[in-house]
Amino acid sequence: GAVVSQHPSWVICKSGTSVKIECRSLDFQATTMFWYRQFPKQSLMLMATSNEGSKATYEQGVEKDKFLINHASLTLSTLTVTSAHPEDSSFYICSASRAAGGEDTQYFGPGTRLTVL
Amino acid sequence: QQQVKQSPQSLIVQKGGISIINCAYENTAFDYFPWYQQFPGKGPALLIAIRPDVSEKKEGRFTISFNKSAKQFSLHIMDSQPGDSATYFCAARGGTSGSRLTFGEGTQLTVNP
Repeated sequence: GAVVSQHPSWVICKSGTSVKIECRSLDFQATTMFWYRQFPKQSLMLMATSNEGSKATYEQGVEKDKFLINHASLTLSTLTVTSAHPEDSSFYICSASRAAGGEDTQYFGPGTRLTVL
Repeated sequence: QQQVKQSPQSLIVQKGGISIINCAYENTAFDYFPWYQQFPGKGPALLIAIRPDVSEKKEGRFTISFNKSAKQFSLHIMDSQPGDSATYFCAARGGTSGSRLTFGEGTQLTVNP
């Protein structure tokens, strides 16, 4: 159990367009979902934390108007990169936190490679 | 105080050897320390995790050693295999960071055949 999926796995878009990335917890209800960004050979950088039905909490330096997060249900969160530019090209990874039996483990999705031309 | 320092940045080990990756933290409020394994182009996968009330946890070839007084923890991979070649991240959670994970910088492990 504890499978997290992301869609799409990769996307190429033109500069100025918006891209939506979906994150789903397939076999559990996620109390919290997280969105990360990862550049090549670097660690994961947390962008925002979202709880179902409430506004996302963004990390310092992350533009909330550019990276729109919607957490519509306990199994689905979406990240929309608005008016994407080449510098937004990166590997975006979500994780879902399952609180069960006293554990609160984050399970990661497979990531989405975004390339903005 | 929220940082987690990880070393080495890269590690090359021969097949069958022991791989050791170290992490150090400052925030004594951290209460959960997972290790993640990441292959190129994939998301991180939880490998093993420990809480500060135990000094060691073993799962198969993977062992976490935890030194609460030194605020350090390490991952040991016994009988390292070429398939273990990946990037490993330590992380910590707790205190004012809540459920958010603070990641180390990562260690790129290469196991030569």
